[in-house]
Amino acid sequence: GESVGLHLPTLSVQEGDNSIINCAYSNSASDYFIWYKQESGKGPQFIIDIRSNMDKRQGQRVTVLLNKTVKHLSLQIAATQPGDSAVYFCAENVIYNQGGKLIFGQGTELSVKP
Amino acid sequence: GAVVSQHPSWVICKSGTSVKIECRSLDFQATTMFWYRQFPKQSLMLMATSNEGSKATYEQGVEKDKFLINHASLTLSTLTVTSAHPEDSSFYICSARTPRGASYEQYFGPGTRLTVT
Repeated sequence: GESVGLHLPTLSVQEGDNSIINCAYSNSASDYFIWYKQESGKGPQFIIDIRSNMDKRQGQRVTVLLNKTVKHLSLQIAATQPGDSAVYFCAENVIYNQGGKLIFGQGTELSVKP
Repeated sequence: GAVVSQHPSWVICKSGTSVKIECRSLDFQATTMFWYRQFPKQSLMLMATSNEGSKATYEQGVEKDKFLINHASLTLSTLTVTSAHPEDSSFYICSARTPRGASYEQYFGPGTRLTVT
């Protein structure tokens, strides 16, 4: 199947600091991108999404930036809290002849120190 | 919000046996369901896409005869791991998609931990 099988990179931040998690996607035709949070032993939880015709979208404490030129996506978390500790994945909606399918990026493990 | 459930949440089986995992959309109809597999410390890997009433589309490298997918209704999809082996031990996650206006929404289940001994 698609996606990668590498081990997760980690990001360690101090509580209250801002976090920036980066992701490279592979398909220039992808029309939709989503950031997910996954806690240990659970399924992915939706955080924020962005369409390919946008370059920035803001939510509550989170901002997603999309750079289609270099196929790069980032998630910014403001005032990071211990409850934000989890693994974060970006996903791209890859279009194919039967519709779209979400392909996940490598993921980053975020650790927040109190 | 929409809820996707999986059953069982964990299962232990002996090598050579088959295991069935259910995925249900509880309060919406899913036109498309997806099955993912996730090994420890790795990303989610798409295994197959299934539309209600039609055969599943498998990703490259995924054995369709080993991972049987049935999408018999708009609220239920099942994944059967046949003749399971220890290397099939993994976290299996389903996802259900439903149309919303000109777009769609997609929701993930809580996952099923499979351990093959």
